[in-house]
Amino acid sequence: DSGVTQTPKHLITATGQRVTLRCSPRSGDLSVYWYQQSLDQGLQFLIQYYNGEERAKGNILERFSAQQFPDLHSELNLSSLELGDSALYFCASSVWSAADTQYFGPGTRLTVL
Amino acid sequence: AQSVTQPDIHITVSEGASLELRCNYSYGATPYLFWYVQSPGQGLQLLLKYFSGDTLVQGIKGFEAEFKRSQSSFNLRKPSVHWSDAAEYFCAVGAAGTASKLTFGTGTRLQVTL
Repeated sequence: DSGVTQTPKHLITATGQRVTLRCSPRSGDLSVYWYQQSLDQGLQFLIQYYNGEERAKGNILERFSAQQFPDLHSELNLSSLELGDSALYFCASSVWSAADTQYFGPGTRLTVL
Repeated sequence: AQSVTQPDIHITVSEGASLELRCNYSYGATPYLFWYVQSPGQGLQLLLKYFSGDTLVQGIKGFEAEFKRSQSSFNLRKPSVHWSDAAEYFCAVGAAGTASKLTFGTGTRLQVTL
């Protein structure tokens, strides 16, 4: 158990819909990262927040957005869903930077039908 | 831009045999290097990491990795593989600073035969 929690574990929805994935970092961690794992793209970095502020952006679609709240939990919002958005979405957290280990949550498996 | 190459998509070894998983990275400065393991249906667990100092790093579950700057490599090794080591292994490179991300390789799936 990494100490990072993600809800829900599984999500099945239809194309065109909007979903919200939630992540609670380990106690004391200020940075939250979102990654997408799919068969064709592998593990890809989406976005990082540090203490409520966006710090780095990767291959995140415009239909996707994220935020980190004052209690440091984070949400990833995916809208206008397409079949290709089906993937495993991981949240990771670390204390400060890449010099600190990123601990991964168990992931949310999103299936878009 | 940073990148990671794991040339072996799938490796099969016998239980008790030694293991080496290859990882090559591309990064302009001194990299932060990681090996993670992912069991089916699970998240990623850190095996070991290299930031600086001794180029041979020890990790959990009997794994070790050696950083070779001249070869841009960070290969993962284990002297004797157990059936429970069957999983997918990912090498990753990270950058310094608070604006950080991990760039992952495509992974190597390890199968262990009894």
